Amino acid sequence: EAGVAQSPRYKIIEKRQSVAFWCNPISGHATLYWYQQILGQGPKLLIQFQNNGVVDDSQLPKDRFSAERLKGVDSTLKIQPAKLEDSAVYLCASSWAGSSYEQYFGPGTRLTVT
Amino acid sequence: KNEVEQSPQNLTAQEGEFITINCSYSVGISALHWLQQHPGGGIVSLFMLSSGKKKHGRLIATINIQEKHSSLHITASHPRDSAVYICAVEGNTDKLIFGTGTRLQVFP
Repeated sequence: EAGVAQSPRYKIIEKRQSVAFWCNPISGHATLYWYQQILGQGPKLLIQFQNNGVVDDSQLPKDRFSAERLKGVDSTLKIQPAKLEDSAVYLCASSWAGSSYEQYFGPGTRLTVT
Repeated sequence: KNEVEQSPQNLTAQEGEFITINCSYSVGISALHWLQQHPGGGIVSLFMLSSGKKKHGRLIATINIQEKHSSLHITASHPRDSAVYICAVEGNTDKLIFGTGTRLQVFP
C-alpha cells in the first residue's frame, strides 16, 4: 500500500513570496490533515478535511494560509504572502474516518523563509 | 501550561539499556497515541491506546486514565531507536493535541 505522498520535500523562499504544498493521501482515506511543526515543537493542526469538506480550520491563519481538497482526494496548502515565522515542516496525514483511526503521516515539506 | 507534557525532553542511553519516556496530560481524552519521528520528518504511529497496556516487539506502552499519565518503554535499546518520540492525545474535540516530543539518542 502506497503511503501519504507530499511534494516538494524542501522549499526555500523569500518573505512575502507565495508557496504551495501538495499532498496525496492513502487511497480510500476520507480524512486529511495538514499540520505545521516548528523546530523543537510538536505538530500543530492547521486544517482537517473530511472528504472535500472542512471539519476544523480554527488554527489556520486565514489571512495568509488557504487549503483545498476539491475532489476529496489530493489537497494543496498555500501560503501567500509568507512570513519568516512560517519556516517549519508542513506535514500531511490521512486516516480512514477521523482521529479515532490511526493517522498515517507523509514525509513532510520543510519550508525555509528567508 | 501545555495540555500534554513529556519528560524528559532529551534522553541519551547506551545500547541495551531499558528506556522510559513519560507523558502527562490535563484534558479528558478518548485515546492516546505514541508516535516516532526520525530525522527528515517522517512520523510513524507506534501505539494508540485508551486503557491498560500494549506491546509491540521491544516497545511497551501503558496508560493510567485516573492519573492522566502514560509511559513508553523500550527494552534492549538499539541505536536505530534514536528518534523523537511524541505523545498525542485525542480530546473531546476529536483533534490530536501533541506534546513537544522526547529526543532519544542511543549510542553503541
